[in-house]
Amino acid sequence: EIVLTQSPATLSVSPGESATLSCRASQAVGSNLAWYQQKPGQAPRLLIHAASTRATGVPTRIGGSASGTDFTLIINSLQSEDFAIYYCQQYNTWPYTFGQGTKLEIK
Amino acid sequence: QVQLVESGGGVVQPGGSLELSCAVSGFRFSDYGMHWVRQAPGKGLEWVAFIGYNGATTYYIASVKGRFTISRDNSKNTLNLQMSSLSPEDTAVYYCAKDRITTVRGVAGSWGQGTLVTVTS
Repeated sequence: EIVLTQSPATLSVSPGESATLSCRASQAVGSNLAWYQQKPGQAPRLLIHAASTRATGVPTRIGGSASGTDFTLIINSLQSEDFAIYYCQQYNTWPYTFGQGTKLEIK
Repeated sequence: QVQLVESGGGVVQPGGSLELSCAVSGFRFSDYGMHWVRQAPGKGLEWVAFIGYNGATTYYIASVKGRFTISRDNSKNTLNLQMSSLSPEDTAVYYCAKDRITTVRGVAGSWGQGTLVTVTS
């Protein structure tokens, strides 16, 4: 099973600033990595697939990148609606797995 | 507009059974792979099961294999998860999710609101 390790567990950032979230895979997943946002009491929402492709309706200030088994989600100009939990997920190999999540909180 | 609506959750005793359903609309159900993903209270997400567009392919995580059965009825636009031999570790919100596109498995482009399953004596 591929393990995804997200860091940090919690990230405190002020509105208007940028946030960088990391996800490291225990083995190669190619570009088969997605990012989801989840707010309390809600279902997850797909943000990024194929490591760097924004899902429909996702603003351009949210972006993803990859370098080998290291993946990054960057959110620029943080707005109030961005404070949530973010999960990375690999779909290269079954079982599909999620990272443990990064909580992005208001500083 | 894509909609996925789960039902069937509830409280069940350890060792019991429960069947979840997910009614879908707004897309051609028979073209898409579908998934069940769960989230234990206060915990992260866990992919539980997958079923291919025509039901011929199914995958399960190890902890539910032999106890859970994913199925679909393309004539009724319904996804199901039959769960048996339930344990407290199966307590979670269960989400159904749809592949984002027909040609790539494993990217959950749309999600239901979830249904809570509580296994307790």
